[in-house]
Amino acid sequence: AQSVTQLDSQVPVFEEAPVELRCNYSSSVSVYLFWYVQYPNQGLQLLLKYLSGSTLVKGINGFEAEFNKSQTSFHLRKPSVHISDTAEYFCAPRGTGNTPLVFGKGTRLSVIA
Amino acid sequence: ETGVTQSPTHLIKTRGQQVTLRCSSQSGHNTVSWYQQALGQGPQFIFQYYREEENGRGNFPPRFSGLQFPNYSSELNVNALELDDSALYLCASSDTGFAGYTFGSGTRLTVV
Repeated sequence: AQSVTQLDSQVPVFEEAPVELRCNYSSSVSVYLFWYVQYPNQGLQLLLKYLSGSTLVKGINGFEAEFNKSQTSFHLRKPSVHISDTAEYFCAPRGTGNTPLVFGKGTRLSVIA
Repeated sequence: ETGVTQSPTHLIKTRGQQVTLRCSSQSGHNTVSWYQQALGQGPQFIFQYYREEENGRGNFPPRFSGLQFPNYSSELNVNALELDDSALYLCASSDTGFAGYTFGSGTRLTVV
């Protein structure tokens, strides 16, 4: 069964600074990886996904993530954050077939002006 | 292309009552999943339907049940509501590929 660990529950960062949100997953089989963002009182919006191919994945709003199979990690990065990036971020792996997404506990990114 | 629509957006129920939440899938999607998100937590998988059949279930009791209709819309039913059922309930739809799930905005259920 899939499991996922988001290593930081809260990450405060100043505006225009870079940020990395860490995610480690456990799996012995092929896996697909997703990052979702949740703004206050809203549902989840897909930021980016890794299905296969290039290990560096670019998503919306300037975010990117790198799949590292040997370290079973899929860390999310942004070179320069904005106030509007303040939100909850969820890493979610899934296996093949009809297996569901498995969500981490989330990382709250707070961007400080 | 329409997204995923959930109704109602907010709901208050009394302990012991029953509730039905509704979800309209994104056009072209034949798989729907339901998740429960308690305050301050990540979403937890309840169950998934593919072409009107349940094909996966998380660690939730049988009083959580669902349906998927021929147009791929879906319902989540919860019987004998408990206070701990208070949460945001999220519906997500996907196609048979791995393009990712599209989530609705959720239904906020409060049990008093």
